Amino acid sequence: AQRVTQPEKLLSVFKGAPVELKCNYSYSGSPELFWYVQYSRQRLQLLLRHISRESIKGFTADLNKGETSFHLKKPFAQEEDSAMYYCALSGGSNYKLTFGKGTLLTVNP
Amino acid sequence: NAGVMQNPRHLVRRRGQEARLRCSPMKGHSHVYWYRQLPEEGLKFMVYLQKENIIDESGMPKERFSAEFPKEGPSILRIQQVVRGDSAAYFCASSPTGGMGYEQYFGPGTRLTVT
Repeated sequence: AQRVTQPEKLLSVFKGAPVELKCNYSYSGSPELFWYVQYSRQRLQLLLRHISRESIKGFTADLNKGETSFHLKKPFAQEEDSAMYYCALSGGSNYKLTFGKGTLLTVNP
Repeated sequence: NAGVMQNPRHLVRRRGQEARLRCSPMKGHSHVYWYRQLPEEGLKFMVYLQKENIIDESGMPKERFSAEFPKEGPSILRIQQVVRGDSAAYFCASSPTGGMGYEQYFGPGTRLTVT
């Protein structure tokens, strides 16, 4: 079975501070990991995926297979980063996305 | 491209009534996925459809729930004889093709409240 854990329900930081949103997963094979973001009153949208190794809006995430983690990081948080962030996993040739419960990030001025 | 459309955005039903949720995928997308988000939970996969075919319904409750994606028109998620536990946000996503690695584009969701 595949599972995604986001241990922090809420995370609050000040503008300019580093931010790290934690994500741990459980999957026996080689997963594909994603971060989705939902800004206030907007739809869920893909932020980044580990396979593309991109940096989007200053965010990066590295897949650590040893620790089964895919933490999302940004060195300097901005107020517009305030949103709900979901980590998701897709396993094998499976199209099913398994989501964590999400972390609500608030960036204070 | 207007993106994935879902309607209604909010739906209130009394216990025992039927709920019909509609999803129009993005233009050019022929693969549709439905997810349910219960309060305080992450999204959970329900069903994956292509035009006129149910590919995987392993996440659907065994009773009262059904889904279709006809040749013409939107995909429909139907919940018969709703109960309070069906109250949730239902999200639809679409992709141009299926399989791992293809981005799923999400709709705004339908929030179902059962009174």
